[in-house]
Amino acid sequence: KQEVTQIPAALSVPEGENLVLNCSFTDSAIYNLQWFRQDPGKGLTSLLLIQSSQREQTSGRLNASLDKSSGRSTLYIAASQPGDSATYLCAVKKEWWGGSEKLVFGKGTKLTVNP
Amino acid sequence: DGGITQSPKYLFRKEGQNVTLSCEQNLNHDAMYWYRQDPGQGLRLIYYSQIVNDFQKGDIAEGYSVSREKKESFPLTVTSAQKNPTAFYLCASKLDRVADTQYFGPGTRLTVL
Repeated sequence: KQEVTQIPAALSVPEGENLVLNCSFTDSAIYNLQWFRQDPGKGLTSLLLIQSSQREQTSGRLNASLDKSSGRSTLYIAASQPGDSATYLCAVKKEWWGGSEKLVFGKGTKLTVNP
Repeated sequence: DGGITQSPKYLFRKEGQNVTLSCEQNLNHDAMYWYRQDPGQGLRLIYYSQIVNDFQKGDIAEGYSVSREKKESFPLTVTSAQKNPTAFYLCASKLDRVADTQYFGPGTRLTVL
């Protein structure tokens, strides 16, 4: 059974700091991995998606890496801003064989960036 | 404006009542999903539908029911059989069964009184 763990559960940093969020998964047979952002009481917004054949993806100040063999992904946020405060969730998609497929989510890391 | 809408934003239910949560999308997506989120927990899949008039159970389907009579609509009914229905419910959709990115609605918070 695929399990996704995110460490730490919560993180508080001063504005301007670079930070890393961690995601680990138990079964390396994944199709892809996604990082989402969730603001309080809101839905999820997709930030970055890394296919299983890729090592990293970048979007602006965000960089996500994937080491499929070790079951790890990191989300690097450069020069953090108060507007980055949110919960960040990672999710893995099980390898798709033409039948059913689903995302398995971690519990998230709640990030607070202090001005 | 293209997107996914969920209504109502907040819903209160008495024990023993069935309630239906609405999810509508105008993205012309084939696939739609219902997730449940509890405090400090990841999302768990309740039901999904890859095409009109077809749907499958997810990991926690007991006490829930769905229908997919129209492409743009995927309502979720929380029945009285659901033992602990208080949660945040999220609807999502994606273009088709092979597309990667799911787009999420704003969610409905259900509270059982």
